[in-house]
Amino acid sequence: AQSVTQLDSQVPVFEEAPVELRCNYSSSVSVYLFWYVQYPNQGLQLLLKYLSGSTLVKGINGFEAEFNKSQTSFHLRKPSVHISDTAEYFCAVSRGYSSASKIIFGSGTRLSIRP
Amino acid sequence: KAGVTQTPRYLIKTRGQQVTLSCSPISGHRSVSWYQQTPGQGLQFLFEYFSETQRNKGNFPGRFSGRQFSNSRSEMNVSTLELGDSALYLCASSQDRVGDTEAFFGQGTRLTVV
Repeated sequence: AQSVTQLDSQVPVFEEAPVELRCNYSSSVSVYLFWYVQYPNQGLQLLLKYLSGSTLVKGINGFEAEFNKSQTSFHLRKPSVHISDTAEYFCAVSRGYSSASKIIFGSGTRLSIRP
Repeated sequence: KAGVTQTPRYLIKTRGQQVTLSCSPISGHRSVSWYQQTPGQGLQFLFEYFSETQRNKGNFPGRFSGRQFSNSRSEMNVSTLELGDSALYLCASSQDRVGDTEAFFGQGTRLTVV
């Protein structure tokens, strides 16, 4: 079985500061890894995904994540955050390669940006 | 290209009633999945439909059901509503092609059971 742990439920950070949202996963088989963002009263939007290949993945809005197989981590980073990045971020894993079936989500990290 | 459309956006129902939620996937997407999001349990997979057939199912009671039509639109139904069914219900669609791994989510239907 797979599982996802997001180590921080809330992360406050000042505007223009760097941020890292931590994610660890557990799986006995190869998985695909994702980060989604959810703005207030909205659905989920895919930020980036890791399927294979380069361990550094770049996504939208200046976010990137690094897949670390030995540490089973997939941390999300942004070098300089903006007020508009205020949202909840979900790390997720999936065995399915072509559908939304059975995506396992972490509990989410609420990112709050202070001016 | 229109995104995933869920209707209605908000719904208030009374305990014991039943409710039907609708999801129109992106044109050309044949797979539709449903998720329940609550503060306590987070995001949980309900079921997936592909070509009008339920392909996968999560761990929810039989009160939760769904179907998919020939145009890939999907509905989910919850019968005998309980207070704990209050949640944001999200629908996601995907093309279901090898190498195409992105799931597109709708804005959700917020169901409140009173």
